[in-house]
This record gives sequence, C-alpha cells and structure tokens, in this order.
Amino acid sequence: NAGVMQNPRHLVRRRGQEARLRCSPMKGHSHVYWYRQLPEEGLKFMVYLQKENIIDESGMPKERFSAEFPKEGPSILRIQQVVRGDSAAYFCASSPPEGRTEAFFGQGTRLTVV
Amino acid sequence: AQSVTQLGSHVSVSEGALVLLRCNYSSSVPPYLFWYVQYPNQGLQLLLKYTTGATLVKGINGFEAEFKKSETSFHLTKPSAHMSDAAEYFCAVTHGGSQGNLIFGKGTKLSVKP
Repeated sequence: NAGVMQNPRHLVRRRGQEARLRCSPMKGHSHVYWYRQLPEEGLKFMVYLQKENIIDESGMPKERFSAEFPKEGPSILRIQQVVRGDSAAYFCASSPPEGRTEAFFGQGTRLTVV
Repeated sequence: AQSVTQLGSHVSVSEGALVLLRCNYSSSVPPYLFWYVQYPNQGLQLLLKYTTGATLVKGINGFEAEFKKSETSFHLTKPSAHMSDAAEYFCAVTHGGSQGNLIFGKGTKLSVKP
C-alpha cells in the first residue's frame, strides 16, 4: 500500500507564475489535509477536504490560494501569482473516511519562488 | 482555541542519555495529542498519540509520552538516546473533530552527540 504521494518534490517558480501541487492520498483514504511549513516554523494547517467538498479552509490565505479534491484524481493546491513569501514546504496528509484515526503525511513539495 | 508550546527549539543530548522534549497545550475541549518526527527533507511520521484511556502512551522507536491534564502537558521521553534519533520533533493537538486537522508546535530539533 503506497503512502501519500506528493509531486513534484521540488518546484521552482518565478514571481507571478502559478504553482500547482498534487497530492494522491493513501488507498481508501477520502480525507485530505494541506499544511504549510515555513523555515524554522511548525506546520500550519491550511485546508481540509473530502471528495468534492471543502470541509475547513480556515487556514487558507484569502487570495491567490485554492484547493480541490475531485471525485477522480489527486487533490490539487493551487497558488496563483506566486510571491517570494510563498516559498515553503507544503505537506499533504490523508486519513480514512471515518476520520477517527491519525493522518499520514506525504514527503512534501518544496516550493521556491525566485 | 487550541495551541501548543514546545519549550526549547534545540535540545542536545549524549548518546545513551535520557531524552526529554517538552510540550504544553491549551485546549477548550478534551484534547487528542500527538508527537511526530521529521527527518531532514522528509514528511512527518507519527511517533505516538493520546486520545482517551491510559495516560502513558508508548510509541515507536522506544519513545513514550504521558498526558498530564493538571499540567496541560504531553512531554516526550526516551530512556536512552540513539544517534538515529537526531531529527525534529513536533507536538500537535487536534483542532477539529478529525485527527488530521492539527495545530502544531514550532518543533524541537534533537541533536545526539556520540
């Protein structure tokens, strides 16, 4: 059973470009969470999604950031018009439908904005 | 509102010495508490968690933690450090009903000296 897969592992974007980060949850998991880790900081919750639904987006910046988890395919975190401050590691985690077990984390995507 | 405080951003111990990483939490509801470990350029791996029941929780790699409600603490210990324990450790508390929706502390980097 493959773990949570994130791609790409490393992503470089110029200021103003768009960044798309992908997360394939573990088999059988239908809950997905996105976190951002800034240098020397812990992980900050961004958004919690179930298939085709955003459950909690209280940690998402109001502008430029969006997330989806379609019925088919991976979850996507999209950052439009990236700025230097968006440089960070973005982690995805997934958990089973019942939500009563811990989430499993992917290895992250490290975004660098130049 | 929930929050997590990890005392000491860096802890250094000698190989074979006791490891003690401190975590205090604030929660308005009975908390679920977690310790995760992160190796360089890797995702987070669950060490152990407390949900209900026994307050002394044993995890992987010889780590354990004790939930002390009166002290609002969930300190992580290991009797004898190994070189392979060098990593960053994060304490977390659930934010919502799902165990994937977490509030993390800022992390403690553990160094192990030969």
